[in-house]
Amino acid sequence: EPEVTQTPSHQVTQMGQEVILRCVPISNHLYFYWYRQILGQKVEFLVSFYNNEISEKSEIFDDQFSVERPDGSNFTLKIRSTKLEDSAMYFCASSFDRRNEKLFFGSGTQLSVL
Amino acid sequence: QQPVQSPQAVILREGEDAVINCSSSKALYSVHWYRQKHGEAPVFLMILLKGGEQKGHEKISASFNEKKQQSSLYLTASQLSYSGTYFCGTVDSSYKLIFGSGTRLLVRP
Repeated sequence: EPEVTQTPSHQVTQMGQEVILRCVPISNHLYFYWYRQILGQKVEFLVSFYNNEISEKSEIFDDQFSVERPDGSNFTLKIRSTKLEDSAMYFCASSFDRRNEKLFFGSGTQLSVL
Repeated sequence: QQPVQSPQAVILREGEDAVINCSSSKALYSVHWYRQKHGEAPVFLMILLKGGEQKGHEKISASFNEKKQQSSLYLTASQLSYSGTYFCGTVDSSYKLIFGSGTRLLVRP
């Protein structure tokens, strides 16, 4: 089965630093997503991306966050100035359709902000 | 808006059955069910698209009542491998897949 790949698997950063989390979605998928999961809690929607622009975002996704598809294969999440509360597992996902198709999740990037 | 899942946690003996419920206050396009093991990504189980639809995956099946905006996941003759956290996710007119708070399932020998 095709896979969504995420790098790095772990990222440790100092508070206030910028981080970029990288994802390679499945090649023929059109919709791309970022979710995050704080340890022991639910999986929270951050943002969806289609046709090179944000289609939906949550209230968590404030001005500190941005997403980009810099080329035909990568999809990135940037956090400009990390806070302690940004520590979480970040999952990238992709799908062919945003309503009726399953999301394929990557294995996640564990972000630790010190 | 986040769907509501119940129960929050279930402990079973191997071979026992369980039902996990998911409800939404909004009209839904689809309901997704995922299982997550500790430290891993959510794994897709099934998606339900139509009112009254039922689906099965081995001994795991689900139903979706579109009118009531409710879905249930049925686990029969549970196995040790079924342990994990089950999340329902709902897609409404906002087109965002929003997950419920999860149901932790522990199957004991």
